[in-house]
Amino acid sequence: DGGITQSPKYLFRKEGQNVTLSCEQNLNHDAMYWYRQDPGQGLRLIYYSQIVNDFQKGDIAEGYSVSREKKESFPLTVTSAQKNPTAFYLCASSRAELMNTEAFFGQGTRLTVV
Amino acid sequence: KNQVEQSPQSLIILEGKNCTLQCNYTVSPFSNLRWYKQDTGRGPVSLTIMTFSENTKSNGRYTATLDADTKQSSLHITASQLSDSASYICVVSPTPYSGGGADGLTFGKGTHLIIQP
Repeated sequence: DGGITQSPKYLFRKEGQNVTLSCEQNLNHDAMYWYRQDPGQGLRLIYYSQIVNDFQKGDIAEGYSVSREKKESFPLTVTSAQKNPTAFYLCASSRAELMNTEAFFGQGTRLTVV
Repeated sequence: KNQVEQSPQSLIILEGKNCTLQCNYTVSPFSNLRWYKQDTGRGPVSLTIMTFSENTKSNGRYTATLDADTKQSSLHITASQLSDSASYICVVSPTPYSGGGADGLTFGKGTHLIIQP
């Protein structure tokens, strides 16, 4: 099946720890994106990548880092510098930049700080 | 600043009834307007995508309309089913001349729809 897969579905982080969220796609999409979703708010862009080995900061990149070593993979690390990391994280991919193409979302990872 | 406002914030209707969700936007000009359905704890799934020149688009029991003059869109759900319970998100994609988020999309906060048996 073609699609975009996020793992894990649930993740718990202790204060001061870094955690990495996985996002893999087999749609042969060039562009990949990470969003954060908080209750009662619209999705906010964290990072995006339009090509391998290149990525750009989104609107709320502070406290996060990414890498794009392979076309299929775009992992997101939530660092200890992110003061309020508890949220629902969504990964998406598209054929080209999102303005003119359809976006496909993963099923999300719910991160909770304990 | 580009904005997308959705109403109502939440809605409860009985199974089998119709409903209409509203989306007002300030993004102008724009490339396309999308409606997504998001089940609780899941990722959004695309329902419709309309360019600025389209007035209506259907996907089964879902019909989206667009009035570019008034900058309004609506999503009409016919003969609602329990599985329609979800959040519905309106997303506007600007052109390169009208800004938007770094990815070119402006998301609404969604309407939370509950279908009661």
